[in-house]
Amino acid sequence: DAKTTQPPSMDCAEGRAANLPCNHSTISGNEYVYWYRQIHSQGPQYIIHGLKNNETNEMASLIITEDRKSSTLILPHATLRDTAVYYCIVRVGGSQGNLIFGKGTKLSVKP
Amino acid sequence: GAVVSQHPSWVICKSGTSVKIECRSLDFQATTMFWYRQFPKQSLMLMATSNEGSKATYEQGVEKDKFLINHASLTLSTLTVTSAHPEDSSFYICSAIQDSPYEQYFGPGTRLTVT
Repeated sequence: DAKTTQPPSMDCAEGRAANLPCNHSTISGNEYVYWYRQIHSQGPQYIIHGLKNNETNEMASLIITEDRKSSTLILPHATLRDTAVYYCIVRVGGSQGNLIFGKGTKLSVKP
Repeated sequence: GAVVSQHPSWVICKSGTSVKIECRSLDFQATTMFWYRQFPKQSLMLMATSNEGSKATYEQGVEKDKFLINHASLTLSTLTVTSAHPEDSSFYICSAIQDSPYEQYFGPGTRLTVT
């Protein structure tokens, strides 16, 4: 079973920041948090991952709370092409563990 | 980033026939690959873990005799849906782990329709 809880859907205005929350209260100390997104009828696309520190790359920022029980994915300037289902995943089984997908959050970016 | 391809991207077959789907890691070697299935408006469900040179490990409820997985090389895994039925119609997605830094990359998926 997925170890994460996400809101089923969110809306965001184009050009504004999109903040997607995720709860993972049962996460273990050595388990990473991964974010992927899936645009309709395509394979999932990797966005970012982290363990305990905040992370940033060219796509997004990941903010992890100090107790690691929740995190937030931030898309700083959402565009229409960011409309997708966003999955927050706790990777179990170490560095070669598989990814168990929950239901994700459907983000709709509106003009 | 690393690229994973799937072939075919879509396939239509008749009930009772078998269909083979290929998953390739194009620019890296992958000891471990995964196969997922996704029904409309649902999330991805892990079907099996495929390790090069050994038998695949299937998730509970997935019939290993129906979904044959072969991982014969470090860049190729195949999923064969045997005696396909309409309820096997789904979106099949593979992924591959790049050895160091062990990131998982997904293929574009294969849409299977069984008539």
